Amino acid sequence: GNSVTQMEGPVTLSEEAFLTINCTYTATGYPSLFWYVQYPGEGLQLLLKATKADDKGSNKGFEATYRKETTSFHLEKGSVQVSDSAVYFCALSATGNNRKLIWGLGTSLAVNP
Amino acid sequence: NAGVTQTPKFQVLKTGQSMTLQCAQDMNHEYMSWYRQDPGMGLRLIHYSVGAGITDQGEVPNGYNVSRSTTEDFPLRLLSAAPSQTSVYFCASSTGGLGAFFGQGTRLTVV
Repeated sequence: GNSVTQMEGPVTLSEEAFLTINCTYTATGYPSLFWYVQYPGEGLQLLLKATKADDKGSNKGFEATYRKETTSFHLEKGSVQVSDSAVYFCALSATGNNRKLIWGLGTSLAVNP
Repeated sequence: NAGVTQTPKFQVLKTGQSMTLQCAQDMNHEYMSWYRQDPGMGLRLIHYSVGAGITDQGEVPNGYNVSRSTTEDFPLRLLSAAPSQTSVYFCASSTGGLGAFFGQGTRLTVV
């Protein structure tokens, strides 16, 4: 079946450090891929998405590229800020069903000043 | 632009009590879902609906009921609350490939 695997946290970085959060998936066909962010005490917000191979999603300085050959969708940011401290979730929606989402377990990021 | 609205934000129940968590969206989305979020377990799908009058079970449906009489509303009912249902509950709606929009969550404690 379809699944998403994220690197375990927590991840702790200093401000202005480079961030990578790994996400790999298992799915048939060509799923859409998403990153969501959850700030403390809030609901999840869509951060970025990609719908086909080699697409790059980007938002707020974050980027992720849909790599079909490695079944990956790693989240990156060149210089993190304290305000980026949150939990990040990778998710996929399978081919033909762009609404039911399969979730990773989330990766907690703490950025220290 | 309200998006997805959940009420209440916090609730404490005694074991055996019943209650309804409310969820409403104003984006005319067909698909709505309920998740629970527990530490170390990510998001788990409880129930979902692909349109008014149509609902189906997710991964962890036991102890919960849903109905979808209108496109806008998708309430979640806890039939007889148990301590294992202590969790944070999120409602979400979506359409097409845009991804899901989430409510702010309901933090439920069952004592």
